[in-house]
Amino acid sequence: GQQLNQSPQSMFIQEGEDVSMNCTSSSIFNTWLWYKQDPGEGPVLLIALYKAGELTSNGRLTAQFGITRKDSFLNISASIPSDVGIYFCAGRTGGLVFGAGTILRVKS
Amino acid sequence: GAGVSQSPSNKVTEKGKDVELRCDPISGHTALYWYRQSLGQGLEFLIYFQGNSAPDKSGLPSDRFSAERTGGSVSTLTIQRTQQEDSAVYLCASSFEGANTEAFFGQGTRLTVV
Repeated sequence: GQQLNQSPQSMFIQEGEDVSMNCTSSSIFNTWLWYKQDPGEGPVLLIALYKAGELTSNGRLTAQFGITRKDSFLNISASIPSDVGIYFCAGRTGGLVFGAGTILRVKS
Repeated sequence: GAGVSQSPSNKVTEKGKDVELRCDPISGHTALYWYRQSLGQGLEFLIYFQGNSAPDKSGLPSDRFSAERTGGSVSTLTIQRTQQEDSAVYLCASSFEGANTEAFFGQGTRLTVV
């Protein structure tokens, strides 16, 4: 079946740092979605990408739909403490396939 | 409704009992998904509905799990003879049909089997 490889699995951030995560697949997707999940909550949609090569921003977030339609990345610029949580990528053809998530934690 | 609504938000049940989890999708959304999330883990796909039919049930972990959807709206996920390993958060998402659409999640049902 379709699978998404999401990396890194986890990372520590210091306030002000830029963060980057990505998802790759051997399958082609028509849509890439990025979600954030806070503890005890359902995932919340951050960015949706519909076209190969598309680069979309939402505040400090930037995401791109890879040209091959098999990958996507999410960047967070100038991170702040409330950015901590789990970030999921999802690829869509008919069904919706999720990556395993990237856990963002704060460096102490 | 305004968002995806799941009930109950929390459920504690004894091992061996049956439970029913409910999902009310966003009005007009024909696609509905169920996922399971164990503590600190990713999203495990369970089942996908297009309208009332389920073209992909491949994620249901055993025959104790079943789901139905009636009227193209509300869906119920039933777990029979619950086991402790069924403890998890069960998440529902809905979307319009079609590849270029966004899916939105409910808050989830936290199931604890004791």
